Amino acid sequence: TQLLEQSPQFLSIQEGENLTVYCNSSSVFSSLQWYRQEPGEGPVLLVTVVTGGEVKKLKRLTFQFGDARKDSSLHITAAQPGDTGLYLCAGGGAGGTSYGKLTFGQGTILTVHP
Amino acid sequence: DVKVTQSSRYLVKRTGEKVFLECVQDMDHENMFWYRQDPGLGLRLIYFSYDVKMKEKGDIPEGYSVSREKKERFSLILESASTNQTSMYLCASSPGGARPYYGYTFGSGTRLTVV
Repeated sequence: TQLLEQSPQFLSIQEGENLTVYCNSSSVFSSLQWYRQEPGEGPVLLVTVVTGGEVKKLKRLTFQFGDARKDSSLHITAAQPGDTGLYLCAGGGAGGTSYGKLTFGQGTILTVHP
Repeated sequence: DVKVTQSSRYLVKRTGEKVFLECVQDMDHENMFWYRQDPGLGLRLIYFSYDVKMKEKGDIPEGYSVSREKKERFSLILESASTNQTSMYLCASSPGGARPYYGYTFGSGTRLTVV
């Protein structure tokens, strides 16, 4: 079973601060995704990265996939209260019989105070 | 607006009851999944299906079964509910194939309490 370790588990910051969430594994993933989940709702996909070293930006969010495709990070610049939520990383295994299965990290609960 | 719909947002059941959780997607996706979400444990895969009538066990299938008679519908069955099955259950779907993934579309979840 592939495992994804996400850190930190909890993050409480003030509006305007920057933050980084990490997702690490000893396994190689063919793709890495980040989701955001708000209370009472299912997770919503933010981004998919598939190439080692890939960097994607989504407004104030920057996502990076490690060169060896074993780790990823999510960086938020100038956090806002609307960024509050549970952030989940998820790794996709090799192709073939994986049928699109994802392995999820434990999640990071982010609270941004006004 | 494409979506995954879970039939109930909240359910309360008694120990020993047979429980059915229903999930329907309108995106013609091949793959469908059932996860449970517990604090500190993340999302754990119970079962998934990659085609009609096809199913495979995930990481924690004990005490659960599934049914996929039609492409759009994937049901999770708790054969005899127990208190340790109290959890948030999330259904998801994704396009088929082994290419880089387009991501899951999740339902809003069913919070099940077994008393």
